Amino acid sequence: GENVEQHPSTLSVQEGDSAVIKCTYSDSASNYFPWYKQELGKGPQLIIDIRSNVGEKKDQRIAVTLNKTAKHFSLHITETQPEDSAVYFCAASYQGNTPLVFGKGTRLSVIA
Amino acid sequence: NAGVTQTPKFQVLKTGQSMTLQCAQDMNHEYMSWYRQDPGMGLRLIHYSVGAGITDQGEVPNGYNVSRSTTEDFPLRLLSAAPSQTSVYFCASSYGRVGEKLFFGSGTQLSVL
Repeated sequence: GENVEQHPSTLSVQEGDSAVIKCTYSDSASNYFPWYKQELGKGPQLIIDIRSNVGEKKDQRIAVTLNKTAKHFSLHITETQPEDSAVYFCAASYQGNTPLVFGKGTRLSVIA
Repeated sequence: NAGVTQTPKFQVLKTGQSMTLQCAQDMNHEYMSWYRQDPGMGLRLIHYSVGAGITDQGEVPNGYNVSRSTTEDFPLRLLSAAPSQTSVYFCASSYGRVGEKLFFGSGTQLSVL
């Protein structure tokens, strides 16, 4: 089955700097890759997703890039703010028709 | 609009006790799933349902039962609780595809002593 590896497990950045979280997947059939943000005491919330027919997708300060050949995808957050502090999860699925397989998460801390 | 509602928020059980974690959604979503979250382990799928009367196992189904008698409700049953089931449990729902655009509840923190 699919296996998703996520790095780093923790990340600290200064406010205003950029943050990058990377994930690799094992199943070349996977073609749907979402990212979820989990704030303290809450459930995860979808923040951005990408399909394999697209190499990059942006939404304001957040972007996701995908390298199908290398089977890895990354989350980029620019101009980080304290409210970006949270745990971020990457995940993979085949066309969204199979249950998501999640990475182990990255705890991002933005230091003011 | 309540979204996905989980009850209780906290629960403490003794080893061997049984209980049911409740999950309800009011968005008319076809797909519902249960995940457990453990430190350093991410989110692991326990069971999921693609519609009323249809359930399937996920990555870590042992010790848990589910049923889906209505579109709205998807309870998770622990038959005989074990300390290894101490975790935070999340219910999620989605519309259209089982692995796409999940809406999560706020979680149930379960401790088994």
